[in-house]
Parts: sequence; structure tokens; C-alpha cells
Amino acid sequence: DVKVTQSSRYLVKRTGEKVFLECVQDMDHENMFWYRQDPGLGLRLIYFSYDVKMKEKGDIPEGYSVSREKKERFSLILESASTNQTSMYLCASSVGYQPQHFGDGTRLSIL
Amino acid sequence: AQRVTQPEKLLSVFKGAPVELKCNYSYSGSPELFWYVQYSRQRLQLLLRHISRESIKGFTADLNKGETSFHLKKPFAQEEDSAMYYCAPDYGGSQGNLIFGKGTKLSVKP
Repeated sequence: DVKVTQSSRYLVKRTGEKVFLECVQDMDHENMFWYRQDPGLGLRLIYFSYDVKMKEKGDIPEGYSVSREKKERFSLILESASTNQTSMYLCASSVGYQPQHFGDGTRLSIL
Repeated sequence: AQRVTQPEKLLSVFKGAPVELKCNYSYSGSPELFWYVQYSRQRLQLLLRHISRESIKGFTADLNKGETSFHLKKPFAQEEDSAMYYCAPDYGGSQGNLIFGKGTKLSVKP
């Protein structure tokens, strides 16, 4: 059974902090995704990675960066956290270009 | 711009009643279409994709190119179907080009 693990279920940080969200998958999938999920807005793609060290911007990359040094790990970085980045963040992995397996999500609050 | 519309934020039906969750997409080529579901306190998961022509948990979705719709249907709703449902067309082109709708919350009452 595919497992996508996000390091934290809940996280509280302060404005201006650099925040790291970690995601690990155990199925050797090429493709990994970071989304944010907001009520009334659905899911919006932040970044997509199709291979180690390869990434593409999604719909809302501003204020975020990503790192994929190993195939199984895809990190989302908030360079300088702001209150409008308070959200639920979802990581996913897939064989194809559509996300197939999601993590539990990280609910991030920026104070 | 490529768009997807789920016109109902909330859909409430009684157990045993038919249910239809609407999804309309803007035409741009021939997108591949997906439905995702998130049950309370569970992970978001892929429910079905139109190219598979499958029925999952009693749900089916028919692609209507003339109406650019991909409505999700079930003839007899169950309480355990209560969840958030997202329609998502993939317009292809660049990688990771799946666009999620804003979602419809289905509530099935006993």
C-alpha cells in the first residue's frame, strides 16, 4: 500500500519565520506535488516535481520554494512566512501526471 | 482560461435517494477528467477517472462533450457517501496541469 507521509499534522509558526514542510513517499514515484487546500477555493497547486532536482511552478508558487534532493522526499519551504499562508498543505505522489496518493496534510498556522 | 465549475457548494440528500454532483469544464481540447473524494478525517483520494469507465463505490461519471460536463452519479446514496467531492480536469500540455474544482460537500441524511 502506497504511503505518503507528511512530517507534521499541525504546525504553528510566526510571521517572518522560514518554514519547512516535509513529505516522503515509499513507492518510488517519479512525480510529487504540493497543494494548499482552502475552504471555498479547493486545491491549488503550488509546485510539482517530476524527478530529482526537477520542479515546475504551479498556480500559486509565490512565497514558496521546493527541494527534491532524493526521489522519495519533496520539501516545501516558506521563505518568510506570512499570515496569508495559513492553510492546509497536502503532499501527493503519482506515477502519472495526476496526483494519485495524498498525505494526511499539514495544518499550518502563521501567527 | 481553462476552468472547472462545481456549481453546488453543498448538496444534501436522503439515504436511498439518487445523487448527482455536477461538474462543468471549459472546453480546450479533450481533457482527461477525474473525481477525487475526501471523507471526514481521511486523506484525499482518487475516486475515478473517465477513461477507465469504471464504477467505484456505486458511483459513475459520464463525459458529455457536447455539454462539457462530467457529472458524478449514484442511484442510491448511502450515509457513508457523505464527503467532499472534487472534480478535476487535466488539460495536458505542461506537466502537473490538473485543475481542481472548488468542491461539493455531499451530506447524506438518514
